[in-house]
Amino acid sequence: GESVGLHLPTLSVQEGDNSIINCAYSNSASDYFIWYKQESGKGPQFIIDIRSNMDKRQGQRVTVLLNKTVKHLSLQIAATQPGDSAVYFCAENPLAGGADGLTFGKGTHLIIQP
Amino acid sequence: AAGVIQSPRHLIKEKRETATLKCYPIPRHDTVYWYQQGPGQDPQFLISFYEKMQSDKGSIPDRFSAQQFSDYHSELNMSSLELGDSALYFCASSQSGRTDTQYFGPGTRLTVL
Repeated sequence: GESVGLHLPTLSVQEGDNSIINCAYSNSASDYFIWYKQESGKGPQFIIDIRSNMDKRQGQRVTVLLNKTVKHLSLQIAATQPGDSAVYFCAENPLAGGADGLTFGKGTHLIIQP
Repeated sequence: AAGVIQSPRHLIKEKRETATLKCYPIPRHDTVYWYQQGPGQDPQFLISFYEKMQSDKGSIPDRFSAQQFSDYHSELNMSSLELGDSALYFCASSQSGRTDTQYFGPGTRLTVL
């Protein structure tokens, strides 16, 4: 079946360094992709999204890249801070504009080393 | 800014009991979604509602039902609870015609003993 998955379960980076979290998806028809951050015991927090007609989108300290050719999504976090420690999920929505449920990938646990 | 409100935050039930979880979406959001997240797992979509009508259905067991009310709040009803139902249950909301972004609530932690 279609799925969204992440390459690495855990990523450890030094505070101040940049981090890159990757995600592979299999549904080439997906139109909308989102990155969420989830801290322990809390709900997923929206970070940034991107539509399939874009290949890059920037936010505050975060950048999402979409490569539709290889069905790959990545989240770049610049100058990581201790507060960035969390599990990061990518999610896809096959049809933008609908009320469809998101398909989440397996999370990557980002650990920020002091 | 107002966020999604879920109640209760914690719930402990015995096997075969019933449970009702409530979700109050962000003001002016008309669509609600329910997700289940087991320990160490990614969230799994259960069901969604738009303007009080079921919109999409995921892996929701037949023992579960949900509805959305005229004030847009939603309730997830769970019957004949099983040990495997122990999980975090998240509600998310979005505003149709404006954004597809789903904003999640803090979740209800359900423990079935």
